[in-house]
Amino acid sequence: DVKVTQSSRYLVKRTGEKVFLECVQDMDHENMFWYRQDPGLGLRLIYFSYDVKMKEKGDIPEGYSVSREKKERFSLILESASTNQTSMYLCAIGRTATNEKLFFGSGTQLSVL
Amino acid sequence: GESVGLHLPTLSVQEGDNSIINCAYSNSASDYFIWYKQESGKGPQFIIDIRSNMDKRQGQRVTVLLNKTVKHLSLQIAATQPGDSAVYFCAETDARSYDKVIFGPGTSLSVIP
Repeated sequence: DVKVTQSSRYLVKRTGEKVFLECVQDMDHENMFWYRQDPGLGLRLIYFSYDVKMKEKGDIPEGYSVSREKKERFSLILESASTNQTSMYLCAIGRTATNEKLFFGSGTQLSVL
Repeated sequence: GESVGLHLPTLSVQEGDNSIINCAYSNSASDYFIWYKQESGKGPQFIIDIRSNMDKRQGQRVTVLLNKTVKHLSLQIAATQPGDSAVYFCAETDARSYDKVIFGPGTSLSVIP
């Protein structure tokens, strides 16, 4: 079974804090993705990575950065958290030539106060 | 995908009845479609997929129908069970770009025992 692990299920942070969301996969996939999910808006792509140290902006990268130092780990960083970044954050892997599906982690519900 | 709004469409069905969840997709070039199920507090789970060269695909208790003429996708769940209560959303993409997955806002399915 595909395993995509997000380190925290719930996180509460204060405005201005630096926040790290971690995602680890055990499938040796090249492609990893960070989405945020807000009610009624669907999933929106923040950043993705197609290889170690490689990253590409998605549709809503503002206020976020990412790090991929090892193939299995993809981190999302909120440099200075703001209340409008309160959301469910989902990590995903997949979208390869042989498997077009996206496999998601359980998500991290982040609240910024 | 569907028109974006703040309110999640809802569907209530009696246990044992069949459910039909609809999705309008936006890109005529999309050639691969996926349905996901997301239970409360969890990440999306893959249910079934279909390619644009097919009109119908069946899985266990689920059927996906694709109408390319009107850009419409539907998910049919047979003999709906309480465990089917979740948010269901469709996703569209094309094989040329692994990052461009468009998600619908989802439909909340409630099963009445």
